[in-house]
Amino acid sequence: DIVVTQSPATLSVSPGDKVSLSCRASRSIAARLAWYQQKPGQAPRLLIYEASTRATDVPVRFSGSGSGTEYTLTISALQSEDVAVYYCQQYHNWPPVTFGQGTRLEI
Amino acid sequence: QLQLQQSGSRLVKPSQTLSLTCAVSGASISSGGYPWNWIRQSPGKGLEWIGYMYHSGTSYYNPSLKGRVTISVDRSKNQFSLQLTSVTAADTAVYYCARSKVGLDVWGQGTTVTVSS
Repeated sequence: DIVVTQSPATLSVSPGDKVSLSCRASRSIAARLAWYQQKPGQAPRLLIYEASTRATDVPVRFSGSGSGTEYTLTISALQSEDVAVYYCQQYHNWPPVTFGQGTRLEI
Repeated sequence: QLQLQQSGSRLVKPSQTLSLTCAVSGASISSGGYPWNWIRQSPGKGLEWIGYMYHSGTSYYNPSLKGRVTISVDRSKNQFSLQLTSVTAADTAVYYCARSKVGLDVWGQGTTVTVSS
């Protein structure tokens, strides 16, 4: 199975910050990577798929990049409502679908 | 607009079978050829994929669940279901249903399942 590792586990942020979250796969996943945002008490929400394509209604301040085994989710100017846990997920070699352990943004 | 609707919280006794249903509205479960998934999240933990099924009946499960999982599709009711046998306290979690299109693009609201005697 492909192991997906996110870093950092927790990130302290302030409104207006540019924030970069990292996701590393144990082998190449050919951009078959999705990013999700999960707020407390809510289901995850798809933000990015195919490593860099924004899902429907996702604000342009969210962007994804990367290739091979290394991927990044960037929030260009953090807003307070972006405080959440962010997960990456690979779907290059599935089943099983595998998720990273998450990065928590906190103010 | 596609929506997935899950039932309310469940309390299940250890060793029993957990059964959950996800009702699909806004589209036919048979259209598009997408797989229908179950994912769970233990308290304070990350996301664990349980398995998926296509409307055709083809299914795949997470090997970590050691053969305790069955996912089924009821095309007449436009819904799909999860059965998890021989539950223990380790199966206490929020269970989500979701569709795979590119990534998991539509999610149910989640069902809280507590395993306790």
